[in-house]
Amino acid sequence: QKEVEQNSGPLSVPEGAIASLNCTYSDRGSQSFFWYRQYSGKSPELIMSIYSNGDKEDGRFTAQLNKASQYVSLLIRDSQPSDSATYLCAVANSGYALNFGKGTSLLVTP
Amino acid sequence: DGGITQSPKYLFRKEGQNVTLSCEQNLNHDAMYWYRQDPGQGLRLIYYSQIVNDFQKGDIAEGYSVSREKKESFPLTVTSAQKNPTAFYLCASSIALLAGPPRGTQYFGPGTRLLVL
Repeated sequence: QKEVEQNSGPLSVPEGAIASLNCTYSDRGSQSFFWYRQYSGKSPELIMSIYSNGDKEDGRFTAQLNKASQYVSLLIRDSQPSDSATYLCAVANSGYALNFGKGTSLLVTP
Repeated sequence: DGGITQSPKYLFRKEGQNVTLSCEQNLNHDAMYWYRQDPGQGLRLIYYSQIVNDFQKGDIAEGYSVSREKKESFPLTVTSAQKNPTAFYLCASSIALLAGPPRGTQYFGPGTRLLVL
């Protein structure tokens, strides 16, 4: 079974702080990694994708990938209350399918 | 506006009834997918399709059926054989059936919430 693990949270951070969301995966053959944001009752929306070791930045978001340690993380700088949502980590292996974690709930408090 | 549409937003199923969830995309994507999400759970793949008239079972296909007669459309039927159908159903599409970005990046429709009466 190819597992994708996330801490369910909730992760609570004050407004303006950095939120750090982590994801580990079991399949060493995994090639690509995605972060989706899902507001309550809504569908997931893509935030970022990453497939090379290191950091990838897009605005306030930074994805970090370490294939040797089999983890991927998402940093949200200057967190806003509107960032409060569940963040899903998805991992693609050599096939087509995405394996999703159960998500981490983030709460940004004013 | 390009995107993925799903209808209805809410659907109620009676015991023994088959119901069909609609998914349409105008992104010119070849690959389409159906996922099921239960509360507090990750998304689980039901079916996927790479091209018209071809589709494959995912991890939890039992009790479901699909068709792909047009590139833009990928309807999902929840049959009476699915004993626990209450869930949030998500349709997704990608440019191609690939694992990686950008062509394999999956985008989601707004979802259909299915409830059992």
